[in-house]
Amino acid sequence: GDSVTQMEGPVTLSEEAFLTINCTYTATGYPSLFWYVQYPGEGLQLLLKATKADDKGSNKGFEATYRKETTSFHLEKGSVQVSDSAVYFCALSVQTGANNLFFGTGTRLTVIP
Amino acid sequence: ETGVTQSPTHLIKTRGQQVTLRCSSQSGHNTVSWYQQALGQGPQFIFQYYREEENGRGNFPPRFSGLQFPNYSSELNVNALELDDSALYLCASSPIGDRSTDTQYFGPGTRLTVL
Repeated sequence: GDSVTQMEGPVTLSEEAFLTINCTYTATGYPSLFWYVQYPGEGLQLLLKATKADDKGSNKGFEATYRKETTSFHLEKGSVQVSDSAVYFCALSVQTGANNLFFGTGTRLTVIP
Repeated sequence: ETGVTQSPTHLIKTRGQQVTLRCSSQSGHNTVSWYQQALGQGPQFIFQYYREEENGRGNFPPRFSGLQFPNYSSELNVNALELDDSALYLCASSPIGDRSTDTQYFGPGTRLTVL
């Protein structure tokens, strides 16, 4: 079935450090891939997406590249800020039926000054 | 543009009771999905409504049911509440004419506690 495996946390980084959160997926067909972010006390916000192989999604300094050959969609940021502290979810959807989202378990990131 | 809103914010029920959660989709969106997020977990798909009909369902029992109204708002009903139903319930909507592009916009959620 369709699923996402996400790097377990929590992850603690110093401000301006490099961030990588690993995400791999299993899917039938050709999924779209997403990173959502959940700030403390808030709902999920779409951070970035990619809809086909080799696409790169980017937003707010975060990037992720859809790698079909390795079934991966790792999230990266060159220099994290305290305000990036949140829980990050990798997700996929396949364009059949309800095209609902399948989420990973989330990775909690804490950035310390 | 108004985003996805949900009510109530928090709710406490006892085992065996019934609960109704409400969601107003973002303006221009005709598809609504509901997800359950247990503490420390990723959201899990409950079901989706498109043009007032159920359009897909995840691995949840029939005591989880829903409705979508002509204005595209939606309700999630849970009967015979169990302790494991305690979770954050998220509503997400998608734009009209954009059903195939996957992007879903989430509300802030309703925190349900079952005692």
